Amino acid sequence: EAQVTQNPRYLITVTGKKLTVTCSQNMNHEYMSWYRQDPGLGLRQIYYSMNVEVTDKGDVPEGYKVSRKEKRNFPLILESPSPNQTSLYFCASSSLTGVPTEAFFGQGTRLTVV
Amino acid sequence: AQSVTQLGSHVSVSEGALVLLRCNYSSSVPPYLFWYVQYPNQGLQLLLKYTSAATLVKGINGFEAEFKKSETSFHLTKPSAHMSDAAEYFCAVTKAAGNKLTFGGGTRVLVKP
Repeated sequence: EAQVTQNPRYLITVTGKKLTVTCSQNMNHEYMSWYRQDPGLGLRQIYYSMNVEVTDKGDVPEGYKVSRKEKRNFPLILESPSPNQTSLYFCASSSLTGVPTEAFFGQGTRLTVV
Repeated sequence: AQSVTQLGSHVSVSEGALVLLRCNYSSSVPPYLFWYVQYPNQGLQLLLKYTSAATLVKGINGFEAEFKKSETSFHLTKPSAHMSDAAEYFCAVTKAAGNKLTFGGGTRVLVKP
């Protein structure tokens, strides 16, 4: 089954404590990205990756890091989380070939920073 | 820059009534347009997409959308709402494969019995 798997689904942490949200896809997609979802703002892109070792900033990258060491994995790292990073996070993957196809989304990670 | 506007953050419809969700976009190049649905505590699932073929696009669960270039719109409709349609719906636009998806703010649909 084609899927994007994120872990954990829920996370409560304290300000300043480093955390990593994992993302893995089994569709051999080149393109992977992270979004945050906030009420009324829709989803905003944090970082994206076109392929292994190729990453770039999206619209709201401040306070986040990513890495793409393997094609299937694209972890999101918060080195020093702050309360304004409390949000719902989604990882997504899609193919780069031809006409844009759908992006496949993970189940989401609800992060609370206190 | 691309942008997407969804008119109405909340829509309430009666079961069996027409569902109409509005989406207007701006794009400097011909866009590719998508509608996604998000059920509670789940990720986003593709409903339908426009990729420059037919302007009337049919999707899953009885939804369809019409691309109108002159109005820069891609409104989503369903003739008869079902209780299971209660969810949040997002319109999104991209310029090409490998470009980011730009999302609207979302419209939450409530279906009344």
